[in-house]
Amino acid sequence: GAGVSQSPSNKVTEKGKDVELRCDPISGHTALYWYRQSLGQGLEFLIYFQGNSAPDKSGLPSDRFSAERTGGSVSTLTIQRTQQEDSAVYLCASSRPTGETQYFGPGTRLLVL
Amino acid sequence: SQQGEEDPQALSIQEGENATMNCSYKTSINNLQWYRQNSGRGLVHLILIRSNEREKHSGRLRVTLDTSKKSSSLLITASRAADTASYFCATDGKNQGGKLIFGQGTELSVKP
Repeated sequence: GAGVSQSPSNKVTEKGKDVELRCDPISGHTALYWYRQSLGQGLEFLIYFQGNSAPDKSGLPSDRFSAERTGGSVSTLTIQRTQQEDSAVYLCASSRPTGETQYFGPGTRLLVL
Repeated sequence: SQQGEEDPQALSIQEGENATMNCSYKTSINNLQWYRQNSGRGLVHLILIRSNEREKHSGRLRVTLDTSKKSSSLLITASRAADTASYFCATDGKNQGGKLIFGQGTELSVKP
């Protein structure tokens, strides 16, 4: 079946604007993760959803970041009042049982001017 | 903060040589995984080794795990130019609630 998809591929926005990033996980995967990767760095965990449980939001860097997952499938990561330091590649991944192999989407490259 | 630390940060070798990358971590784990990333986009899962395993092979990849030293290594044998990429280790820690913690990665360059 299809892999994890993310949209948009690239997003350029102005400082102070809100952005929404979308992730479509692999069908049937109960766990969904968001990560952020700054240039030349490793992945920084942001948030993850597992089934109907409350999401683990421990990685969100500030209250400007939020995410939701509707119907246990598609997820949207929202960044309000974007700052230049938010510029990064935002990666989404999904998996079956948590902690097992994660399947990554191609990422959204966000540039805040 | 990232749990995994990898070394070297960058590695440059000739085609045909072997490449070894190391990963250290801090807490008890359920498993450790290695991922590959091309051009700063999506990651591809390479191999998973569980805490009760010491060595695992997949094609030209060999992974070892030493839980007493909290370290793992990834060996790529007979490297090819197409192996050029960034390689990350990720740990599924016993107290991490299922999320993976990634290292900073090793940037491998294989010259033809």
